[in-house]
Amino acid sequence: AQRVTQPEKLLSVFKGAPVELKCNYSYSGSPELFWYVQYSRQRLQLLLRHISRESIKGFTADLNKGETSFHLKKPFAQEEDSAMYYCALGGSDYGGSQGNLIFGKGTKLSVKP
Amino acid sequence: DAGVTQSPTHLIKTRGQHVTLRCSPISGHKSVSWYQQVLGQGPQFIFQYYEKEERGRGNFPDRFSARQFPNYSSELNVNALLLGDSALYLCASSLRHTYGYTFGSGTRLTVV
Repeated sequence: AQRVTQPEKLLSVFKGAPVELKCNYSYSGSPELFWYVQYSRQRLQLLLRHISRESIKGFTADLNKGETSFHLKKPFAQEEDSAMYYCALGGSDYGGSQGNLIFGKGTKLSVKP
Repeated sequence: DAGVTQSPTHLIKTRGQHVTLRCSPISGHKSVSWYQQVLGQGPQFIFQYYEKEERGRGNFPDRFSARQFPNYSSELNVNALLLGDSALYLCASSLRHTYGYTFGSGTRLTVV
């Protein structure tokens, strides 16, 4: 069964400290993984896609198929990074557009001054 | 570009009633998906439509239905509302799945 696990409900760090938000997935096919972020009173936004291997706002995430993980990392946290972060798994058995994302329960990141 | 727009933003309904939620995707996006987000949980997939055809359905009862129109806008219908249907309903659109989805602000449905 397809599943996304974000083990931490809340992660609290001080400004300037490194951050790692954990995400593990279960999927038998070729996964597509995403990180979404939701800032206070804003809509859910796409932060990263594993396929693009990009760095956005200093965040990176590497897909580790051996460990079935897609952890989100940032070397130096900023107060404005405080938000809810969701890991999402894409992919389905359909041959066409694969639109069903499976979300984890989310991790609330709190960056303290 | 207005982004993904959803209407209404808030809605209060009584148990047993039905509700229709509407979504307009970003111009050019042919794929629209619907999600239900209950407080404290991540969004849960309900439906996906691509080129007006249903391409995916999540684990929701038949009381939930949806459709996509020729202009790619979409409606989510829920019949015989239950208290447990109270949630934030999100619509998302995409040009291509691997690009990720853009979400709307959602419709907050409260069933009393």
